[in-house]
Amino acid sequence: NAGVTQTPKFQVLKTGQSMTLQCAQDMNHEYMSWYRQDPGMGLRLIHYSVGAGITDQGEVPNGYNVSRSTTEDFPLRLLSAAPSQTSVYFCASSSGRGGSPLHFGNGTRLTVT
Amino acid sequence: KQEVTQIPAALSVPEGENLVLNCSFTDSAIYNLQWFRQDPGKGLTSLLLIQSSQREQTSGRLNASLDKSSGRSTLYIAASQPGDSATYLCAVRDDYKLSFGAGTTVTVRA
Repeated sequence: NAGVTQTPKFQVLKTGQSMTLQCAQDMNHEYMSWYRQDPGMGLRLIHYSVGAGITDQGEVPNGYNVSRSTTEDFPLRLLSAAPSQTSVYFCASSSGRGGSPLHFGNGTRLTVT
Repeated sequence: KQEVTQIPAALSVPEGENLVLNCSFTDSAIYNLQWFRQDPGKGLTSLLLIQSSQREQTSGRLNASLDKSSGRSTLYIAASQPGDSATYLCAVRDDYKLSFGAGTTVTVRA
């Protein structure tokens, strides 16, 4: 049981490039989400999904795209990377709404030059 | 919009002292509150989860209380050790969304 797996661990992009951050969970969780963590600002929600085929925007969705074709996977796409997207990205999942705890991946550290 | 605040931002204590970390939130309509630990350059490790109907949760040297009506939670760590040095984050769950505080960075001096 691997939990929540994120790849890659580190990535460097040039401004304007696109890429996909991968997130997979093996706990059959309905709910998955993406956060970014910046110094002094805590974690902020980018996008989330409550099940396959259903996604919604969080607090800071601009510049990011998501889709959820399977229960297990929830990739985050950067359409045209900008230096402001330099951050650490975390994927999280839980078994449902409300009272369930969130389980986090180990993060992807992204630098955009 | 839910706002979560953690004070102080940083804390340094000698080994053996008890730690008290504070978390406040503006909207009391929450499902639960979760405390996390984060080591430098690492992910988040869940420490305690308190459901909105509960007043406290305990795990070993850790105890977390929740006063939903006043929008406050406190994490107590008894008899601190150098291995407790980390950043502690609290987060409140509103249906599907989790709102985080910026964290309290703790240093326990040997």
